[in-house]
Amino acid sequence: KAGVTQTPRYLIKTRGQQVTLSCSPISGHRSVSWYQQTPGQGLQFLFEYFSETQRNKGNFPGRFSGRQFSNSRSEMNVSTLELGDSALYLCASSLAPDIGYGYTFGSGTRLTVV
Amino acid sequence: DAKTTQPPSMDCAEGRAANLPCNHSTISGNEYVYWYRQIHSQGPQYIIHGLKNNETNEMASLIITEDRKSSTLILPHATLRDTAVYYCIVRVGDDKIIFGKGTRLHILP
Repeated sequence: KAGVTQTPRYLIKTRGQQVTLSCSPISGHRSVSWYQQTPGQGLQFLFEYFSETQRNKGNFPGRFSGRQFSNSRSEMNVSTLELGDSALYLCASSLAPDIGYGYTFGSGTRLTVV
Repeated sequence: DAKTTQPPSMDCAEGRAANLPCNHSTISGNEYVYWYRQIHSQGPQYIIHGLKNNETNEMASLIITEDRKSSTLILPHATLRDTAVYYCIVRVGDDKIIFGKGTRLHILP
């Protein structure tokens, strides 16, 4: 079966712009989590959605937002981009939030802010 | 914040068993121990998880001490493809998964 699909794979944006990243979970998975990965901070939790509702949120500013659609696909948006937002953004899907062994990650979107 | 402590890096000879330790001294009774790994430029991959009993699957074995304050992930016959960052995570129920710094495992030919 198809894995977690993240689009686009690479993105270059200018400071001050906004960006939307997309994540299509494995078919049947209803939980989607987002992470930011940088060399300095490692993997940091952004937020988690289940059945179109945000269940958990990490310690990121309000410029970072997300949503989940009825087909479980999820998007995250970053407004007013800063240089420090350059990172690999990963999403993971699972059947449900309590199935920790079932989290499957996508290959990520590498965002570069110039 | 992550609730686990792992050595930042380890080396293991190819073909030998790789034993990766993890300290989780503040673990509570209903928290599971999970292991994930991340190979360069890929998303993390689930390896194994357990509550109190030792677990084994096709990838690895997980040994949890009786007091549950530490655990060891064992890759029985390490290959070059096992070179990755290994993350030990403790998590209860449906809580979010928090990654720490992990252990960078180098498999030496």
